[in-house]
Amino acid sequence: GAGVSQSPSNKVTEKGKDVELRCDPISGHTALYWYRQSLGQGLEFLIYFQGNSAPDKSGLPSDRFSAERTGGSVSTLTIQRTQQEDSAVYLCASSPLSGRLNEQFFGPGTRLTVL
Amino acid sequence: AQSVTQPDIHITVSEGASLELRCNYSYGATPYLFWYVQSPGQGLQLLLKYFSGDTLVQGIKGFEAEFKRSQSSFNLRKPSVHWSDAAEYFCAVGVFTGNQFYFGTGTSLTVIP
Repeated sequence: GAGVSQSPSNKVTEKGKDVELRCDPISGHTALYWYRQSLGQGLEFLIYFQGNSAPDKSGLPSDRFSAERTGGSVSTLTIQRTQQEDSAVYLCASSPLSGRLNEQFFGPGTRLTVL
Repeated sequence: AQSVTQPDIHITVSEGASLELRCNYSYGATPYLFWYVQSPGQGLQLLLKYFSGDTLVQGIKGFEAEFKRSQSSFNLRKPSVHWSDAAEYFCAVGVFTGNQFYFGTGTSLTVIP
């Protein structure tokens, strides 16, 4: 079956521009996560959606970052006024179960480069 | 604060040799433990996980890991490495309190013929 998909696979933008990253989770998965993977770093949690509950935004690094999940499926991560330090791979994951301790299925990521 | 340490940034092994990747965690209770593998251009794939019970856990692709409470470790092992095992490996810890999830910085594995 189809896994988690993310688009675009690569995004190059200029400093100060806004970008939108898209995630399509596995059909039927109720939980969705966004992570940031910087060079030489582990995965940094950004945000977690679970069903109709209020998202856990505790990992968003600044108010320039926001995310939404429409219809309990597709999610968009938006970074406003991008900075060079935002350059990273942004990974999306979904899980069929509630609770963040369950197995997560990851997409291939979007590599963001801010010039 | 909870943390996950993978002390080896990069490891090189010969094909057919055994492999052990180290993972140590810092947490006051027994966490949920995971190992993920990331091949180039791919997302992370779960290799194995430990929640409770037998401390030796078998995973996919011939990998296993052993939870050692006294050492706060969850090392990943494979008796005979294949060239296709070359990838980045991440240890992760799930902490029940607060439902938090922490990843290590990863170990890059190179397999030479």
